[in-house]
Parts: sequence; C-alpha cells; structure tokens
Amino acid sequence: EVQLVESGGGLVQPGGSLRLSCAASGFSFSSYSMNWVRQAPGKGLEWISYISSSSSTIYYADSVEGRFTISRDSAKNSLYLQMNSLRDEDTAVYYCASGGYSYAYDHWGQGALVTVSS
Amino acid sequence: DIQMTQSPSSLSAFVGDRVTITCRASQSISSYLNWYHQKPGKAPKLLIYAASSLQSGVPSRFSGSGSGTDFTLTISSLQPEDFATYYCQQSYSTPPTFGGGTKVEIK
Repeated sequence: EVQLVESGGGLVQPGGSLRLSCAASGFSFSSYSMNWVRQAPGKGLEWISYISSSSSTIYYADSVEGRFTISRDSAKNSLYLQMNSLRDEDTAVYYCASGGYSYAYDHWGQGALVTVSS
Repeated sequence: DIQMTQSPSSLSAFVGDRVTITCRASQSISSYLNWYHQKPGKAPKLLIYAASSLQSGVPSRFSGSGSGTDFTLTISSLQPEDFATYYCQQSYSTPPTFGGGTKVEIK
C-alpha cells in the first residue's frame, strides 16, 4: 500500500523557518516525481513545488520562489520542503503528492498544518 | 498561467441524482485535465486523469469527458460517500493550476 506521511508542521513566527518532511513507502520512491501542494484554511488547492525523480528538474510557484527549497533523499525514501522567510499567507495544510508535471497527483499524504503567526 | 474555472461553485442534490460539474481552461490544454474530490479534513483523492481515464479503484459511476478548453465530470448516480468538494486541475503546463472547487451537498 502506498503511504505518504508528512511531518514537521507547527506554529512559526513571521520571518521564521520550518522544514517539512514526507516519508514514502509502498512504491518505488526513486522512480517517481514528487510535489508539494498546499491549502489555506477554507480555500482551494495551490501547487507550490515539483521535483523530478532524479532531482534534475525543479519548479516553484511564484509565490514561494526564492523562499522555499524542495529536495529529496532516495536512500531515505523522503521528500523535504525547507521554508524560509515565512509569511502570514503561507499558513496552510501542506500535502506531499506523487506524480505531477504532465501527470496527475495519484497519491497524497494526510497533510501537515503550518501556521505562521506572531 | 492557465486559469481553470469550475461551475457551479456549489450544488445540492439527492442520493441517486445524476450530477455534472464543468471546468473551463483559459487556453487549450488538450486532454491534460484531472479531477479530484476532497472530503472535510482529508487529502484530495484522484478520480479521473487525462480527461476521461478512471483512476484504479474509483467507482465506474464517475466519468470524465472533454478536450481543449471544456471538460465535464459526471456522477451517474450520486451516493452518500460522494458528498465532497470536487476540483479540476490542468497538467498541461507549469505552473499546474486547480479550479476553485465545486462543493456537492445533500439536498
């Protein structure tokens, strides 16, 4: 069974940093591209970052470019999102999801809540 | 960026009803259109990919159609577990973008 489990969410002050992790199991993680998608409270879905299976291709949404960094460690079957210079508007549930680019997001984690507030 | 517009934004229906949700892209996206639903407090779940392909394990009452700029998700006979918010998403170009969602509620 495919499982994606996010961790690392929490409360952080504006301007602060946080690192999210996504532990993958039940599939060949090293063969799949991965993404982070977020959802602000009561709002819709927003894609924020993509990383290819080999990490050779990375994309970011304009809203996080220069502040967030996506990475992966295939030896640990893990995906990461380093979030710096956090703003109030970054408050959201952050989901990791497999697939993406020209393909759909076929598996999703349960989400990690990030709250940016003073 | 490609804008995705869903309609309606919400609807009320009875169990057993046929339900149709539409999604329009601001430019042609060929068949690079995917549908998800999301229940409160849960992660989205993929229903349809490439406009009309049913994801493994998804009931056959769900179907998708369309190409270019206009797409449709149809639920042939609404079931109690189908009450959720539905999102379309284009995977034609970066950044991938989602529609605003359609909330399907019980009448």
